Amino acid sequence: QVQLQESGPGLVKPSQTLSLTCSVSGGSINSFYWTWIRQSPGKGLEWLGLVHYSGTTEYNPSLASRLTISVDTSKNQFSLKLRSVTAADTAVYFCARQPLSYLDSEGFTVRYGMDVWGQGTTVTVSS
Amino acid sequence: IQLTQSPSFLSASVGDRVTITCRASEDINSYSAWYQQKPGKAPKLLIYTASALQTGVPSRFSGGGYGTEFTLTISSLQPEDSATYYCQQLNSYPRTFGQGTKVEIK
Repeated sequence: QVQLQESGPGLVKPSQTLSLTCSVSGGSINSFYWTWIRQSPGKGLEWLGLVHYSGTTEYNPSLASRLTISVDTSKNQFSLKLRSVTAADTAVYFCARQPLSYLDSEGFTVRYGMDVWGQGTTVTVSS
Repeated sequence: IQLTQSPSFLSASVGDRVTITCRASEDINSYSAWYQQKPGKAPKLLIYTASALQTGVPSRFSGGGYGTEFTLTISSLQPEDSATYYCQQLNSYPRTFGQGTKVEIK
């Protein structure tokens, strides 16, 4: 079955760039959306953004000026770069897959949630 | 779009019927999803497009609603259902989440 694995440094200094990669195994990166979500200590879930396998992106406006999400289909992986980090960016970062929408037999558009998740990686922003 | 879940915490006994509500700040049609998260784990998709049960999820979980009010119901609470539950809207970007509902087994 499809598995996702986040990788990247666990410690980033303030003002630097946080870079994470999500490797997709057991399936193709094609024909899906690929998302990043984070969870600050003891807090709820925050949707950061997504990339379509074609490279099209959507970002959370609260982070859009600092955030870049990209996909590398040749490596079956996608990445997150968050610039100018502060302590507020300390969180567990998850990558996840979201299947594409489709029209059902009644012409209704079915939209999926995120059906496969990585285990999450803890990133601490500290000097 | 802001999502508000109620209650934020609930304690119930095994076998109880439990309902969590998610209210959206604007109309999101049928485009909601529900997730279950246990401590130290990634969330797990339970329901999408308001009422569609994700493959492999027990049938005691069900979702409903339309527009601005949605529900997640557990028909007969089991010990393994102790977790935090989140709703998410799939109608527009950014795909916001509710603040979560922690379910405890008495």
